[in-house]
Amino acid sequence: EAGVTQFPSHSVIEKGQTVTLRCDPISGHDNLYWYRRVMGKEIKFLLHFVKESKQDESGMPNNRFLAERTGGTYSTLKVQPAELEDSGVYFCASSPRGPGNEKLFFGSGTQLSVL
Amino acid sequence: GQNIDQPTEMTATEGAIVQINCTYQTSGFNGLFWYQQHAGEAPTFLSYNVLDGLEEKGRFSSFLSRSKGYSYLLLKELQMKDSASYLCAVRNTGKLIFGQGTTLQVKP
Repeated sequence: EAGVTQFPSHSVIEKGQTVTLRCDPISGHDNLYWYRRVMGKEIKFLLHFVKESKQDESGMPNNRFLAERTGGTYSTLKVQPAELEDSGVYFCASSPRGPGNEKLFFGSGTQLSVL
Repeated sequence: GQNIDQPTEMTATEGAIVQINCTYQTSGFNGLFWYQQHAGEAPTFLSYNVLDGLEEKGRFSSFLSRSKGYSYLLLKELQMKDSASYLCAVRNTGKLIFGQGTTLQVKP
């Protein structure tokens, strides 16, 4: 069974540019989460999808961040325009609906560097 | 507020036992998780405690006391491959709140 995959693994962009991160959850997992770790800090929650619906987006930093999950399969997280403080590692995680949904499976993350 | 504390770094010897502590103060509680993360890799699930007590799984055990807001992860018979970051996280209304992680270095 394939795990959670994220693309790209690394991205280096200049301030003001746009970047789109992609996450493919484990097949059949309805729950999809985005988390972020900025240097020196803890991993923080960004948002939660249940299928294609945003269940909780309370962790999104501002309106420069847009997450989508059209069709309830893969998800994208777009940052536009990127700022220096957006640098960090962006993790995606997924879990099934129902019993066992408390255990999250994480991807390896996308290391984003904004210069 | 939400606060999860764990030591930043620990060092232990191969074959020994090490205990990584985690204290938490959160507005809600639906369980406590421990994840292991090797550099550049995905965090991987180690344990989940929702009730007080000890959960044992092979060389790893995790303990929870909800009244004290306290958990620990116990690693026995340490191996070099156990060198990694160990993340304590509390589940609160569906999302995980993480501590900063404890970097464990296992020495020969």
